[in-house]
Amino acid sequence: QQQVKQSPQSLIVQKGGISIINCAYENTAFDYFPWYQQFPGKGPALLIAIRPDVSEKKEGRFTISFNKSAKQFSLHIMDSQPGDSATYFCAASKGGTYKYIFGTGTRLKVLA
Amino acid sequence: DAGVIQSPRHEVTEMGQEVTLRCKPISGHNSLFWYRQTMMRGLELLIYFNNNVPIDDSGMPEDRFSAKMPNASFSTLKIQPSEPRDSAVYFCASSLIQGGGYTFGSGTRLTVV
Repeated sequence: QQQVKQSPQSLIVQKGGISIINCAYENTAFDYFPWYQQFPGKGPALLIAIRPDVSEKKEGRFTISFNKSAKQFSLHIMDSQPGDSATYFCAASKGGTYKYIFGTGTRLKVLA
Repeated sequence: DAGVIQSPRHEVTEMGQEVTLRCKPISGHNSLFWYRQTMMRGLELLIYFNNNVPIDDSGMPEDRFSAKMPNASFSTLKIQPSEPRDSAVYFCASSLIQGGGYTFGSGTRLTVV
C-alpha cells in the first residue's frame, strides 16, 4: 500500500514531442503528489506538484493530470527539449507527515 | 540562499571504517531528511527530523547507521562500520511547509571498497 509505481523506466522522445510519465498509488490517504527532476550529479529538484482536489495543474510546458478514482497521476512535458533530458521521479505523501514515497524514476532522453 | 549543503561530495573508504556525512539545511527549514539512492532500490528515506527531533528512523538499514541533528543548522549521518553494500549516493533534504516540497542537496557519493 505504500508503493508508488512509475512507468516507463526509460523514454526517448523527439524534440518538440510530448513526454508522458505515469504513476499509480494504492494508499488513498496520500494527498500530495510532487514530481521531481534530477540531472546527473545533482539532487532531485521539485518540478511541479498537485493535491487531489484538482484534476490538472499546469506550469509552463509541464502539466500534471490527476485521476483520483483510478489512483493515477501523470506528468506531461509539452514541446520536449533536449534540456529536459533527465530522470523524473513521482512521489506521494499523506497529510500531516513529511514522508515521501518515491517512484522508481523514468530516464527521459529528448533527441535533438 | 545557498541551498542545502552536503559534504563531502565524494567519499571513498575501506570496509570497516567509520564514515560521517554532513548536511546543512536551508535556514528556517524545520524538517530534515536523509535519503539513499541506488540503481537497485531508487530513493529510500532513511530518517527524518522535525524541529531537530528524529521522527521516523524506520528506514535506517541497521544499527550500523546513526543520525543526529544537534541543532537546526546541522545534521550528520554516520555509518560504522561501513560495508561495500553501503555504496550509494546519500542525499539530505530540508523542508519548511508541512506536506510541501523538499529541497535536496547535491548528495554525497559514497564508495566503500
